[in-house]
Amino acid sequence: LAKTTQPISMDSYEGQEVNITCSHNNIATNDYITWYQQFPSQGPRFIIQGYKTKVTNEVASLFIPADRKSSTLSLPRVSLSDTAVYYCLVGDVTGRRALTFGSGTRLQVQP
Amino acid sequence: DTAVSQTPKYLVTQMGNDKSIKCEQNLGHDTMYWYKQDSKKFLKIMFSYNNKELIINETVPNRFSPKSPDKAHLNLHINSLELGDSAVYFCASSLGTITNEQFFGPGTRLTVL
Repeated sequence: LAKTTQPISMDSYEGQEVNITCSHNNIATNDYITWYQQFPSQGPRFIIQGYKTKVTNEVASLFIPADRKSSTLSLPRVSLSDTAVYYCLVGDVTGRRALTFGSGTRLQVQP
Repeated sequence: DTAVSQTPKYLVTQMGNDKSIKCEQNLGHDTMYWYKQDSKKFLKIMFSYNNKELIINETVPNRFSPKSPDKAHLNLHINSLELGDSAVYFCASSLGTITNEQFFGPGTRLTVL
């Protein structure tokens, strides 16, 4: 089971770009990388998912190097409402192995 | 319309009691999950059901028994509640496997006294 390691916390200011890196050294060939966001007293919410290179959607970008042993979630121009915990997960496409949510990265955005 | 709903939102009960948490999704998904988030905020999967079939069953005491009457519902029944069961329980669903985007419910905060 691929274990993920993320920084415990990060601070930023409104309008800045935030990059959160996740290490997953023993990622398997069939594993995808997924990021979730969780606000206090709410369930996690899907942000983005990728397998390799770069993925971009209306919320974030995900950068995955060729060796796939890490990934970086990039949030452009954060706002106060982006203050949340961000989880990186890796999981196989068969769906028969449980995904593990790590401890997550608590992002605090200041005005 | 709420995509994934759970009831109750809060549940306070005494040790030794039996309680149930209900989950319903109206997304037409075929896979549903139960997660436990403890006081340290670690989110751990407990069960996964696909088309009413148990797919993932992590190391969970057998006091916890999921029941899926149909694809849209996955209820969690807990027998002989213990203090350590206090946590927030999240239900989630996805189309297809666990790797796909999961939609989480609002959570049920269980407090065992």
